[in-house]
Amino acid sequence: EDQVTQSPEALRLQEGESSSLNCSYTVSGLRGLFWYRQDPGKGPEFLFTLYSAGEEKEKERLKATLTKKESFLHITAPKPEDSATYLCAVRGSNYKLTFGKGTLLTVNP
Amino acid sequence: DTAVSQTPKYLVTQMGNDKSIKCEQNLGHDTMYWYKQDSKKFLKIMFSYNNKELIINETVPNRFSPKSPDKAHLNLHINSLELGDSAVYFCASSQPLASGRTGEQFFGPGTRLTVL
Repeated sequence: EDQVTQSPEALRLQEGESSSLNCSYTVSGLRGLFWYRQDPGKGPEFLFTLYSAGEEKEKERLKATLTKKESFLHITAPKPEDSATYLCAVRGSNYKLTFGKGTLLTVNP
Repeated sequence: DTAVSQTPKYLVTQMGNDKSIKCEQNLGHDTMYWYKQDSKKFLKIMFSYNNKELIINETVPNRFSPKSPDKAHLNLHINSLELGDSAVYFCASSQPLASGRTGEQFFGPGTRLTVL
């Protein structure tokens, strides 16, 4: 069974304080690793897809990286508007998207 | 706007009632999904349809029945509602890509179901 573990569960940062979120996974036949952002009361919003080890994607202050066992979401100089829950998910050969429990990020001004 | 939409946004009902949640996507995707997000915010897949055909059916009580009248719509009907069914239900859609890869899933805004 595919599994995704995210750490930490919650992270508080000061504005401008860079950090990383971790997503460890086990999957049979990786068909994609996905990062989503979820704001309170809303549906998950797509951020990145990574398909193979060594791949990196960037968007504004966010950068996602992938190894064979984990993915990192690096946040550089975060702003309060980056506060949200960040979800990691993997899709394996069974076509299911398995989510982690998320990291709740709070960025204080 | 192109999007995944769900109705209703909120649904409050009594135990034992039957209710439906509707989902529509105008992204032209072939695959649609229903997810349940519990009180601990854990998002778990329930069903998936590809071109109106059921392809994923997780361990979900028989009281839950998805219906896909066409590939742009996927509805969720729930019979004999129980307290434990209270959660937020999300609809999503995606498009398969070449080489066995899968495109990202786009999620609807969610339906918060409260069973009293």
